Amino acid sequence: DIQMTQSPSSLSASVGDRVTITCRASQGISNDLDWYQQKLGKAPKRLISAASNLQSGVPSRFSGSGSGTEFTLTISSLQPEDFATYYCLQHNSYLVTFGGGTKVEIK
Amino acid sequence: QITLRESGLTVLKPTQTLTLTCSFSGFSLTSSGVGVGWIRQPPGKAPEWLALIYWNDDKLYRPSLRSRLTISKATSGNHVVLIMTNMDPVDTATYYCVHSSSWDPLDYWGQGTLVTVSA
Repeated sequence: DIQMTQSPSSLSASVGDRVTITCRASQGISNDLDWYQQKLGKAPKRLISAASNLQSGVPSRFSGSGSGTEFTLTISSLQPEDFATYYCLQHNSYLVTFGGGTKVEIK
Repeated sequence: QITLRESGLTVLKPTQTLTLTCSFSGFSLTSSGVGVGWIRQPPGKAPEWLALIYWNDDKLYRPSLRSRLTISKATSGNHVVLIMTNMDPVDTATYYCVHSSSWDPLDYWGQGTLVTVSA
């Protein structure tokens, strides 16, 4: 299995802060990585596909970068509606695997 | 517009068999490259991919659960069925149905259904 190590597992931040979340793959996965946002009781919502492609309707304060084994999700200016849990997902292998999640909380 | 919806019995006792149906619209599971899969998420934990069936009836399973899982296409209508045998309390999770394609995996998700396994 390709292991996805996501960090940090949680963070506290204020509205307006810049937030960075990292995922590291146990082996190279090219750009076969997506980022999801999940709010309590809801299905995950895809924010970024193919490491850096912003999904339609997702605010431009979200961005993704990386390739190979190191990937980053950045929220340039945290908004109240961004407090949620974020997951990375790799689909380079048929056995899709998720990162452990990052819970973004209000400071 | 692609939509998916999960249905099935959601409260089970240990050793019982889970049968979930994914009813979908907005795409055809006969189109080349298209697939429907299942992902589950235990409470407070990360999601976990379970299985996928493609337009050509190819099937993929999570290796650690392979002996317990069966995914199939319904003989009529836009439905995919997941069967998981010998359910245990650790299988308690929200189960999601997902649309996938060879060019854009896991792009649409259902709302999920919470399955609880308890004696």
